[in-house]
Amino acid sequence: DGGITQSPKYLFRKEGQNVTLSCEQNLNHDAMYWYRQDPGQGLRLIYYSQIVNDFQKGDIAEGYSVSREKKESFPLTVTSAQKNPTAFYLCASSPGLAGGFAVEQFFGPGTRLTVL
Amino acid sequence: SQKIEQNSEALNIQEGKTATLTCNYTNYSPAYLQWYRQDPGRGPVFLLLIRENEKEKRKERLKVTFDTTLKQSLFHITASQPADSATYLCALIEYGNKLVFGAGTILRVKS
Repeated sequence: DGGITQSPKYLFRKEGQNVTLSCEQNLNHDAMYWYRQDPGQGLRLIYYSQIVNDFQKGDIAEGYSVSREKKESFPLTVTSAQKNPTAFYLCASSPGLAGGFAVEQFFGPGTRLTVL
Repeated sequence: SQKIEQNSEALNIQEGKTATLTCNYTNYSPAYLQWYRQDPGRGPVFLLLIRENEKEKRKERLKVTFDTTLKQSLFHITASQPADSATYLCALIEYGNKLVFGAGTILRVKS
């Protein structure tokens, strides 16, 4: 059963703590992405990776970090430098470097992060 | 950068009617435009992709149009059902091959 998994579904963090969100895919996709979604706003791109061991900043990368050591995994760390981290975080993947962003993106179920 | 406008007001329609959702963009016409469905608390699901040289694309009860002159895409659901109730997101390819998403329009289909 192929797809994208994100864990945990709900995450609570105290101010000043770093937290890591997991994203795993078994679709054999080259490209992976992290988005943030806030109420009434569109998805905003945090980081993306088109190949293992390489990633680029999206539109709102400040306060976040990622790694891409394996093709199937793209964890996102929300650091204490992120001033307003409470949001719904979505991970996505898409096939092949040739397709780039043009082809459909497959999304995980999301992680809702709340800072207490 | 691109700005995408989708109607922020929810669209309420009666079952069996055609729902029409609008996506307007402000800058250059993208090579591709995509539509996604998102249910509450879940990730978006891809529905349709239309290229700039395609005027219309259909998939079962779904139809998408792309008017580069008006800088607009319309998304139609014919014979709508309560199960079609969701938020529908429009997404465009931006320079650098990044996807830019609209905030989405909530569709409510009443039986």
